[in-house]
Amino acid sequence: AQKITQTQPGMFVQEKEAVTLDCTYDTSDQSYGLFWYKQPSSGEMIFLIYQGSYDEQNATEGRYSLNFQKARKSANLVISASQLGDSAMYFCAMRANSGNTPLVFGKGTRLSVIA
Amino acid sequence: DAGVTQSPTHLIKTRGQQVTLRCSPKSGHDTVSWYQQALGQGPQFIFQYYEEEERQRGNFPDRFSGHQFPNYSSELNVNALLLGDSALYLCASARGWGPAKNIQYFGAGTRLSVL
Repeated sequence: AQKITQTQPGMFVQEKEAVTLDCTYDTSDQSYGLFWYKQPSSGEMIFLIYQGSYDEQNATEGRYSLNFQKARKSANLVISASQLGDSAMYFCAMRANSGNTPLVFGKGTRLSVIA
Repeated sequence: DAGVTQSPTHLIKTRGQQVTLRCSPKSGHDTVSWYQQALGQGPQFIFQYYEEEERQRGNFPDRFSGHQFPNYSSELNVNALLLGDSALYLCASARGWGPAKNIQYFGAGTRLSVL
């Protein structure tokens, strides 16, 4: 079984500052993928970034980077230069590489960017 | 390039009724998954379709059923609606049947209210 834990129900960040959203996971699988999705108030779940468990480098996508620490089973999302449009719910998720298993999500973190 | 589209966007039903939600996958995608997202929670996996067959199923009762058509679009049916079925229903599509790096892209969801 897989489990995702997001311990920050809500976070505030000043515009143009960087923010880190925490995510820890638990799995018995050796090969898996980790994901972050953004969900604005409109409801759509927007894919942000992916990290494979065997990837040697941390993933980056524009202002998003994933701080992957395999031994600690953590996959924190770092957003640099926050913008007002970054205000949303952020979900960490994972799935095993075998058998097209479904995504398992955490409970999410609500990020509010302050001008 | 159209993304994942879902219809309707909102729906109000009464207890005991039946509902059908629809999903068209992203162009080039052939795997469709359905998730239920209760208020304040992360999405929970309902089931997944590939090659017109249900391949994986989460912990949901038989009242939840689905279908995938030859054009890869999908329907989610819920019978004998309960108040607890009120939620955002999200559809996600991916290319092929395979590892975690086959990213799942989501639609904007259908918000179902059961009165």
